[in-house]
Amino acid sequence: NAGVTQTPKFQVLKTGQSMTLQCAQDMNHEYMSWYRQDPGMGLRLIHYSVGAGITDQGEVPNGYNVSRSTTEDFPLRLLSAAPSQTSVYFCASSPLLGSYEQYFGPGTRLTVT
Amino acid sequence: AQSVTQPDIHITVSEGASLELRCNYSYGATPYLFWYVQSPGQGLQLLLKYFSGDTLVQGIKGFEAEFKRSQSSFNLRKPSVHWSDAAEYFCAVGAREGFQKLVFGTGTRLLVSP
Repeated sequence: NAGVTQTPKFQVLKTGQSMTLQCAQDMNHEYMSWYRQDPGMGLRLIHYSVGAGITDQGEVPNGYNVSRSTTEDFPLRLLSAAPSQTSVYFCASSPLLGSYEQYFGPGTRLTVT
Repeated sequence: AQSVTQPDIHITVSEGASLELRCNYSYGATPYLFWYVQSPGQGLQLLLKYFSGDTLVQGIKGFEAEFKRSQSSFNLRKPSVHWSDAAEYFCAVGAREGFQKLVFGTGTRLLVSP
């Protein structure tokens, strides 16, 4: 199993550009989520999904869109990048029932200039 | 809503010395509690978790944590630190209702001196 994979590892955008961060997992986990990590602020939940076709907002959803068409994939879209979205983005997944253990991807470091 | 406080931003420990990282939470009932570790440039890895039962939980890499309801704390400990333990450590709390949403603390960076 590859676990949770994220692409790209690094990305530089100009203000106003759009892009999609990819996240995939091969563990058949129902729950997937996106976090952003900023210095001194820990991880903050952006969006999450409890299954294909079901998504909901987390703590900091503004400027981001998600969709979940398959169990495996959970892409995060930046509609119009802003410097405030410079961050490290982590995708995580877990089974919906039981363990609550979230498996994290390696992260995408995004810089918006 | 739940919240987590990790009061120490940085901690430096000598190799072989004991370690305690502090975590305090705020939640109306008994929460689910977690410690994650993040090595430089890596994602987060679960060290240990508390759901119920024995308040002293054992994790990977020789770590343990104790849930103290009266102090709303879930401190992480290790009796003898190794240089490879240098990393950032995150405490997280999950509500018993709702779906899997974790709230993370701001993290404690552990430095290990020779």
